[in-house]
Amino acid sequence: GAVVSQHPSRVICKSGTSVKIECRSLDFQATTMFWYRQFPKQSLMLMATSNEGSKATYEQGVEKDKFLINHASLTLSTLTVTSAHPEDSSFYICSATKGSGQETQYFGPGTRLLVL
Amino acid sequence: QQQVKQSPQSLIVQKGGIPIINCAYENTAFDYFPWYQQFPGKGPALLIAIRPDVSEKKEGRFTISFNKSAKQFSLHIMDSQPGDSATYFCAASTRIQGAQKLVFGQGTRLTINP
Repeated sequence: GAVVSQHPSRVICKSGTSVKIECRSLDFQATTMFWYRQFPKQSLMLMATSNEGSKATYEQGVEKDKFLINHASLTLSTLTVTSAHPEDSSFYICSATKGSGQETQYFGPGTRLLVL
Repeated sequence: QQQVKQSPQSLIVQKGGIPIINCAYENTAFDYFPWYQQFPGKGPALLIAIRPDVSEKKEGRFTISFNKSAKQFSLHIMDSQPGDSATYFCAASTRIQGAQKLVFGQGTRLTINP
């Protein structure tokens, strides 16, 4: 199998606070993890690519100081939304591949973030 | 050039019918084409994937048809069931900076009526 979990599944926070979302590969080692954002009734947009032990690579238009990504181990990547604002409210989804450069991405169940 | 265009945006089919969802791409460097199924409030789940050296691939009730010269590919769902009602995304990927990055189509909201 290839199971990816996320925690929390949903979170509500006040504007200006920071929120951390965890992404874990439960039954495999994930050299590479990806973070996506999905607004209601829209497609998935890649935010960043995360490799274990190195800095994340952010897509154009994604603020790296606002969306902090840490990939500290082969089974865990975290996304921290700093100083969250209502426009950051979205569905955040991570995915992982079983090896470096592997094609198949296994997705987590997503985290619903609501910023009040 | 990095876009993947998907159609239709929504589709309603009677149970047992064969919904067909189409995607087109421009970037000839794409070398992997997966389809994902997503239910509301859930993450996408991989259904089936194809590489450009193959024109068709079947897995269960799902079939991908791939036309490399036209840069188009499509998903067919045989004997569709109400439980297939979901949003379907095509995607394409190529290796960028050592990672296979996915570009998603816009999605198709499929409804299968009983």
